[in-house]
Amino acid sequence: NAGVTQTPKFQVLKTGQSMTLQCAQDMNHNSMYWYRQDPGMGLRLIYYSASEGTTDKGEVPNGYNVSRLNKREFSLRLESAAPSQTSVYFCASSDGGNTEAFFGQGTRLTVV
Amino acid sequence: AQRVTQPEKLLSVFKGAPVELKCNYSYSGSPELFWYVQYSRQRLQLLLRHISRESIKGFTADLNKGETSFHLKKPFAQEEDSAMYYCALGGLNSGGYQKVTFGTGTKLQVIP
Repeated sequence: NAGVTQTPKFQVLKTGQSMTLQCAQDMNHNSMYWYRQDPGMGLRLIYYSASEGTTDKGEVPNGYNVSRLNKREFSLRLESAAPSQTSVYFCASSDGGNTEAFFGQGTRLTVV
Repeated sequence: AQRVTQPEKLLSVFKGAPVELKCNYSYSGSPELFWYVQYSRQRLQLLLRHISRESIKGFTADLNKGETSFHLKKPFAQEEDSAMYYCALGGLNSGGYQKVTFGTGTKLQVIP
């Protein structure tokens, strides 16, 4: 009963380094999302994918890219990390906008 | 466009006092509304959804389409209610895809 699994849980990067956050869900959901959570800012949508093969920008897409590899997996890539990208990142999936969204446990990313 | 507004970033109440977390939404269609809760350093989880009309952990929320609101209420706050609360709206985006939109969240602090 894994649900939504994110890796890694913690990461420290140097400015300019790149990395990919991985997310996988085993609930056969169509929709997947990447959010960042910052103190006082709540959840902000970075990118989402309504179905396999489609991706759309959210509120704060700059500095990020995504890949919906297949129905299960939705990865988030930081090409050149910046300190402003220090945040907690959550992946989520749902079977559409009108159903419950299930969240991963989060990735705590620090860019120094 | 879908929008969810939670006007309070922080709400502090004394134990035993009533709680009301405000949520207003903007959506042209028929919305699906949810409340999610995030306890300290845990993943977000669904608290309740308007369609089920149930009370979870003593919390209730009524959809008021006239006022476009979905406020979360509890008559007597408990210390274990201290958490971050997010209101969310599910609906169709401009591309016809299902999408869930979160508010910026309200931190509820219950003072012993």
